[in-house]
Amino acid sequence: KNEVEQSPQNLTAQEGEFITINCSYSVGISALHWLQQHPGGGIVSLFMLSSGKKKHGRLIATINIQEKHSSLHITASHPRDSAVYICAVGRGTSYGKLTFGQGTILTVHP
Amino acid sequence: GAGVSQSPRYKVTKRGQDVTLRCDPISSHATLYWYQQALGQGPEFLTYFNYEAQPDKSGLPSDRFSAERPEGSISTLTIQRTEQRDSAMYRCASSAQLQETQYFGPGTRLLVL
Repeated sequence: KNEVEQSPQNLTAQEGEFITINCSYSVGISALHWLQQHPGGGIVSLFMLSSGKKKHGRLIATINIQEKHSSLHITASHPRDSAVYICAVGRGTSYGKLTFGQGTILTVHP
Repeated sequence: GAGVSQSPRYKVTKRGQDVTLRCDPISSHATLYWYQQALGQGPEFLTYFNYEAQPDKSGLPSDRFSAERPEGSISTLTIQRTEQRDSAMYRCASSAQLQETQYFGPGTRLLVL
């Protein structure tokens, strides 16, 4: 079992739909990161959080430390949101090392 | 600089050759990370630097892989005696301090023939 598991692996939505991507982890963490990888390959950091909830535009990230679970929500999805979304955790024992989930491929149709 | 840059963007080499990849982090960023990303997979951690120190290199696949950051700024990743399984995207990222938001470079696509 991977230390970081994402679901679903593939997600298809219609424009305007509310989207949720889940991330579960099995290790102690110092922080959890949500990343977006564009079709062209570039990676952008969306959020880094260690508790609670963060919001940026139409994106919301939440984390439940007790349940070792995080969710990334996209409200009013748009085709330009189509990308791979990756969850990664920073381990408490090795501060610089991120362990990545396998990614969720999101496709939003107009 | 304005962002993290990497060079070369693409590298094709023959099996057995040595290659060196370069990463130029955001100015004044203390921490620099190297990742390997195989096609269709998520990134995997290789190593990181905090200034010149290299506290964790546990992700380096073998002793053919080494990284340096001698002056705490630019870093190089060297792969000796390349093998076909080394073919991947090599990504560098930097953050202002440890455990802060990481900013990723465009990557170097390495193809070993």
